[in-house]
Amino acid sequence: SQKIEQNSEALNIQEGKTATLTCNYTNYSPAYLQWYRQDPGRGPVFLLLIRENEKEKRKERLKVTFDTTLKQSLFHITASQPADSATYLCALDGVDSSYKLIFGSGTRLLVRP
Amino acid sequence: DGGITQSPKYLFRKEGQNVTLSCEQNLNHDAMYWYRQDPGQGLRLIYYSQIVNDFQKGDIAEGYSVSREKKESFPLTVTSAQKNPTAFYLCASTRGQNQPQHFGDGTRLSIL
Repeated sequence: SQKIEQNSEALNIQEGKTATLTCNYTNYSPAYLQWYRQDPGRGPVFLLLIRENEKEKRKERLKVTFDTTLKQSLFHITASQPADSATYLCALDGVDSSYKLIFGSGTRLLVRP
Repeated sequence: DGGITQSPKYLFRKEGQNVTLSCEQNLNHDAMYWYRQDPGQGLRLIYYSQIVNDFQKGDIAEGYSVSREKKESFPLTVTSAQKNPTAFYLCASTRGQNQPQHFGDGTRLSIL
């Protein structure tokens, strides 16, 4: 079955630096990939969607890449701020239905002032 | 403002009791979902519904039941058959295939 892996260790960086989070997947080829932000005790909030035929997508300080050869997506936050501290989840469309998403376990980002 | 409302925010269940979690959306979305989130884990799909009066089991449907009588509402019942119900439950909706999901702020269920 399809498997998604995100680094379970928290990423701790200094304010102003670029944060890079990784999402790896195996056993299938998703048509699209999404990134969400989740704050403690809240529901995830959608950030970006990238399709398999897109290499890169940007939104303000956010950038997502999608490498279907490596089966990997990278999520970058440039000029990071303490307010960016949260857990970031990647999600891929389910192999048996594009109505379903398969979520990774998320990576916690801590931005030090 | 449009959005998804989950209630209650906190819920306690006694042994052998069924409890129902509410999820209402005013986004006019066709598809709705229920997920379970345990500490340090990703979201696991319990049930989803693509249209009114129709729903499908997700990966962990055992011990749960749902109904979809109205487009706006997708309640989840945690039955006494669910032996480990303590978790954070999230409801979501989407316009259709390959679209972002919009989430509520969750219900945290605990056992008394």
